Amino acid sequence: GQQVMQIPQYQHVQEGEDFTTYCNSSTTLSNIQWYKQRPGGHPVFLIQLVKSGEVKKQKRLTFQFGEAKKNSSLHITATQTTDVGTYFCAGPESSSGAGSYQLTFGKGTKLSVIP
Amino acid sequence: NAGVTQTPKFQVLKTGQSMTLQCAQDMNHEYMSWYRQDPGMGLRLIHYSVGAGITDQGEVPNGYNVSRSTTEDFPLRLLSAAPSQTSVYFCASRRPGQYNEQFFGPGTRLTVL
Repeated sequence: GQQVMQIPQYQHVQEGEDFTTYCNSSTTLSNIQWYKQRPGGHPVFLIQLVKSGEVKKQKRLTFQFGEAKKNSSLHITATQTTDVGTYFCAGPESSSGAGSYQLTFGKGTKLSVIP
Repeated sequence: NAGVTQTPKFQVLKTGQSMTLQCAQDMNHEYMSWYRQDPGMGLRLIHYSVGAGITDQGEVPNGYNVSRSTTEDFPLRLLSAAPSQTSVYFCASRRPGQYNEQFFGPGTRLTVL
């Protein structure tokens, strides 16, 4: 089945430094979704990218979808302590039923921000 | 809307005990899923359902049963708990199709002694 790989697994940054996490799929994706999980919390949807080469911004967060629609990245500019958490990417994979899709999640990148 | 709710928040079991983790959603989502999260392992899919009466296995189904008698509820049953099932369990729901976001419940932290 489809595999979604994320690197790095962990990242420690000084507050104010930039941060990037990368996501690679073994198959071409129709779209990719990004989620954030705060410590002790549950994953929360951040954004979806659909088009080849798409770039979307949310304040200090920049999301990119690769031209081949097999990779994606999340870049945070000037990290803050509020950015702490684990960031997951996820792509849809066709499952048993016709037209049925499940989301395959990467293992996530855990971001620590040192004040 | 309450979204996706899970009970209990915390549970401690002894090896061999059985229990049911409850999950409910009030968004009329057809798709519901159960994940377990362990350190360094990400979110692993246990079972999922694409509608009432329809369930299927995910990546790590052994030791778990599910049923889906209504759109709203998707309980996860541990038949005979083992220490390897110590984990955080998340229930999630979404609308059908490739392009819809997933909504997660707050999680159940389970410890099996």
